[in-house]
Amino acid sequence: GDSVTQMEGPVTLSEEACLTINCTYTATGYPSLFWYVQYPGEGLQLLLKATKADDKGSNKGFEATYRKETTSFHLEKGSVQVSDSAVYFCALSDRNNAGNMLTFGGGTRLMVKP
Amino acid sequence: GAVVSQHPSWVICKSGTSVKIECRSLDFQATTMFWYRQFPKQSLMLMATSNEGSKATYEQGVEKDKFLINHASLTLSTLTVTSAHPEDSSFYICSARVRTGGSGANVLTFGAGSRLTVL
Repeated sequence: GDSVTQMEGPVTLSEEACLTINCTYTATGYPSLFWYVQYPGEGLQLLLKATKADDKGSNKGFEATYRKETTSFHLEKGSVQVSDSAVYFCALSDRNNAGNMLTFGGGTRLMVKP
Repeated sequence: GAVVSQHPSWVICKSGTSVKIECRSLDFQATTMFWYRQFPKQSLMLMATSNEGSKATYEQGVEKDKFLINHASLTLSTLTVTSAHPEDSSFYICSARVRTGGSGANVLTFGAGSRLTVL
């Protein structure tokens, strides 16, 4: 079945440091890939997405590129801020556009220190 | 933007009681909602797909009689944990599909989650 594996946290960085959170997936079809973010006390929010190979999703300075050859969708940011402290979830949807069954990774907690 | 409200955010109950969790789409209609469960330090697991006006579709291994789902209107889905036991303690999250239009994947909007603790 489908699965998503992401690096375990917590990841602790100083402000303005570079961030990479690894995410790899296995899927039978051609999934869409997502990164969701969960800020403390809040629900999950879509951060970015990519629907086909070589697509790059970006939002709020975060980027992730859909790499079919390595089945990866790593999340990157060049300079993190304290406000980026949250839990980040990588997810895939292996249905057609009419469906939204998501398979999530385990989540990675990011803590950014001033 | 689309908002999903979930209530209660935190509930503590005694073993053997039933607990109802509500999930509402505040500014859009949701024909389909999803219920997830998250164990500590683990990923979100899809429990069931809630369809307005019809029976929910449960994932393998999820007890239908234990986790009752009702989607009576286009803006409300409820999850009732019946005869709750300590092993049911978890974080339950609902989500609803928001159509973005055009090609590309539709996105899900999530509620803030409900933490259930069964004593």
